[in-house]
This record gives sequence, structure tokens and C-alpha cells, in this order.
Amino acid sequence: QVQLVQSATEVKKPGASVKVSCRPSGYTLTNYGLSWVRQAPGQGLEWLGWISPYNGHTSYPQKFQGRVTMTIDTSTTTAYMELRSLRSDDTAIYYCARFSRRSNWLDPWGQGSLVTVSS
Amino acid sequence: QSALTQPASVSGSPGQSITISCTGTSSDVGTYDLVSWYQQHPGKVPKLMIYEVATRPSGVSNRFSGSKSGNTASLTISGLQAEDEADYYCCSFAGSSTLVFGGGTSLTVL
Repeated sequence: QVQLVQSATEVKKPGASVKVSCRPSGYTLTNYGLSWVRQAPGQGLEWLGWISPYNGHTSYPQKFQGRVTMTIDTSTTTAYMELRSLRSDDTAIYYCARFSRRSNWLDPWGQGSLVTVSS
Repeated sequence: QSALTQPASVSGSPGQSITISCTGTSSDVGTYDLVSWYQQHPGKVPKLMIYEVATRPSGVSNRFSGSKSGNTASLTISGLQAEDEADYYCCSFAGSSTLVFGGGTSLTVL
């Protein structure tokens, strides 16, 4: 079955960077995009961007441009999301999800990776 | 982009129907029939319930339906059940390969 397995919890200091991994399985990687979404404690969902495993094309919302980078290692079928210059308000659960660009759906989602930013 | 606007909370009794609205602009909801809805139970991962405004993925109950009029999309749940109590989020394509989420709506089944 289709599943996405993410890396474990991270604790970082303000100003540091974090790199979260996501390993999809159960489908042909290049047939769908991979999107990242985060959820701060008690808050809603926030879209961080997406990457096409087919050609490496990325798209990020203006809020995160320059601070986020999404990559894919097709040899290991692992996707990565790096967020730099971390602040306390970056503390959140970070999710990856399979993304259909044509129909605009995210399904399924990974189990989530908690990133805590604290001095 | 600004987040789509959803009511913070809605409630209904078992068996009733409720509708959750999701208001965007002519740059997102109003232009593209690419609105999706997600259900999230506390401590759980979001689950896709509706995509392309009104299409249900396989396995999702037909009690869930979606629609759109102008800049506002809606999710309707009929025959409310206790298990429907959760947070619901809408999401729209917003052009230039970008997406935008709504702020989320907490559904309480009385």
C-alpha cells in the first residue's frame, strides 16, 4: 500500500537548520509530486511547498522563499525538506504528502515529524 | 497568499446535516475547481475527504459532499455521526503551482 515514512523528532536551537526526510513507497515516485505541510501546536495546516520527483521542479509560497529547500534523492527514493534560520515559531509537526498537481489532492500523508525550536 | 476563511467551529446533533464554508478570492477558489477537504481527528494525520470540489476518494462515505459557488466552497456532512467530530480544512490551488489552506473548522457532534 502507499505509505510515506518520515524521520524522527528533532530539537534545534534558534538560528539553526533542520532537514526532515520522507520516504514514499508503494507507488511510482515520478508519477506524483511531494508536498510538505506543517502544523504548529494547536494551530491549522500551513503549506510549505512541493517538489516534482520527475524533474525536480519546486514551488514555495512567498513566505518561505529563501528559507526552505526541497530535494529528492531518486536513487534512495527519499525526499528532504530543509528549513533554515529557525525561530521558535517554526516549532511544529512537519508532514510530507503525496501530491497530485493535476487534481490538487494530498494523499496519503506521512506520520509527521515534530521539530522543536528552543534555546 | 492569505489563508482561506473558514468558521472556527460548527456543531450539529447526530443525524443532522451541517455545512462548512471556505471562502477565498477570485485568485484561488473562484477561478479553479481544485478545492480539496481534509479531516483531522485529534493527534491524527489529516485524511483526504473531497477533491476537485466535489469528488470523493474511494472509501470515503457518501455522507460527505462538496460544492462551490463563486469564491466559496462548501463541505456538507449529512447524517452526522459521533465519529465525524474532528477538524476540517479546505485547500485550494492558488495559481503559479501554489496551494493555500483554510484556517480549519472544529466540528462538534452534540
